[in-house]
Amino acid sequence: QKEVEQDPGPLSVPEGAIVSLNCTYSNSAFQYFMWYRQYSRKGPELLMYTYSSGNKEDGRFTAQVDKSSKYISLFIRDSQPSDSATYLCAMSDKAAGNKLTFGGGTRVLVKP
Amino acid sequence: ETGVTQTPRHLVMGMTNKKSLKCEQHLGHNAMYWYKQSAKKPLELMFVYNFKEQTENNSVPSRFSPECPNSSHLFLHLHTLQPEDSALYLCASSQVGGGTYGYTFGSGTRLTVV
Repeated sequence: QKEVEQDPGPLSVPEGAIVSLNCTYSNSAFQYFMWYRQYSRKGPELLMYTYSSGNKEDGRFTAQVDKSSKYISLFIRDSQPSDSATYLCAMSDKAAGNKLTFGGGTRVLVKP
Repeated sequence: ETGVTQTPRHLVMGMTNKKSLKCEQHLGHNAMYWYKQSAKKPLELMFVYNFKEQTENNSVPSRFSPECPNSSHLFLHLHTLQPEDSALYLCASSQVGGGTYGYTFGSGTRLTVV
């Protein structure tokens, strides 16, 4: 079993729709959760960062963490074609030091 | 220059060639990483350097040889590669404890081994 599971997609939505992405994980020690966005032919860029459980909102993006279910989500409201990218979740625990554990990424296509 | 810069952006090499990938960060970070990204696979951690000392080698074949002369520069020396080594090679940097704060990635080097 992978430590972090993420549906590879592609997830295709019409412009303006809500995009819903999620990851499940097995390590209950994880407490730092991140979402990265990766455009084609580019490196991943940090999009959202959440510590422990709860919600975080930044503009059109909302990150949710449910530690009891070992489940994290990213929602993109009013999606735009420019949101078309691969979204990777990443997480770590305090003992991990430098190490981040990544999901495989979900490819998202927002159609005009 | 800002962020994490990787050169070259694209590289095609034969299996008997020797080449090097370069990474430079201008963020004042103290940890640097090499990752391999293959199609339909998660990011694979290859090497980690803290304050220019290697702290992790994730069972990477010896045909990949990293070098970190200082906290701002990281190289990946390549020799006698195999076609399955074709991938996007990503460099990243962070403060020490990057698992807590997250990484800044470069744009990667797209490597094709022929």
